[in-house]
Amino acid sequence: QSALTQPASVSGSPGQSITISCTGTTSDVGGYNYVSWYQQHPGKVPKVVIYDVSSRPSGVSNRFSGSKSGTTASLTISGLQAEDEADYYCSSFTSSAIYVFGTGTKVTVL
Amino acid sequence: EVQLAESGGDLVQPGGSLRLSCVASGFMLSNHWMSWVRQAPGKGPEWVANIKQDGSEKHYVDSVKGRFTISRDNARNSMYLQMNSLRAEDTAVYHCARNLWATPGDDWGQGTLVSVSS
Repeated sequence: QSALTQPASVSGSPGQSITISCTGTTSDVGGYNYVSWYQQHPGKVPKVVIYDVSSRPSGVSNRFSGSKSGTTASLTISGLQAEDEADYYCSSFTSSAIYVFGTGTKVTVL
Repeated sequence: EVQLAESGGDLVQPGGSLRLSCVASGFMLSNHWMSWVRQAPGKGPEWVANIKQDGSEKHYVDSVKGRFTISRDNARNSMYLQMNSLRAEDTAVYHCARNLWATPGDDWGQGTLVSVSS
């Protein structure tokens, strides 16, 4: 099972919106509505910010939103803040009943 | 408060074995799928395995199939990962995780470091 493809880096200024893409196949992203997104700050454990493509856990800012079209999922962060600077990973359930992560995206707030 | 505490990580030679433990507190382990996720130094996370509430269903990433075994003891609120035939590429921090949704893991422990080297 290959890792999902994400851009290595995305940057934006405070207040702007950015979108991170996550491309898979019909055996993972395109086949199930079980895409999740994780935020990881340096030295910290990954934290779920989106699950089931577009659902937000309690306590996660509504500035985080998720969507999916075909075999590509997206995470949008609106009103970018300094605290959003982190690594972001997508993940998907697969036809093999396992989970695969994305390659990861470093978000920089300019 | 939900807490997950892993233990058992160590430095081991290639071909060796380790057994990781995860003790849960603040919730009933028996109510949840549970997972192991690992993260090699400087790399992204990798889902390793998961196990159903009653232990009747288990899944593994291809790279550990036949070498790792996930298990649980709900009476002890604990989960385990038996790792055999360890390889250098198994070097990582291993996290246990509670599943609330269909994800690799939703609540994570701080992890235990496994280093495989001669």
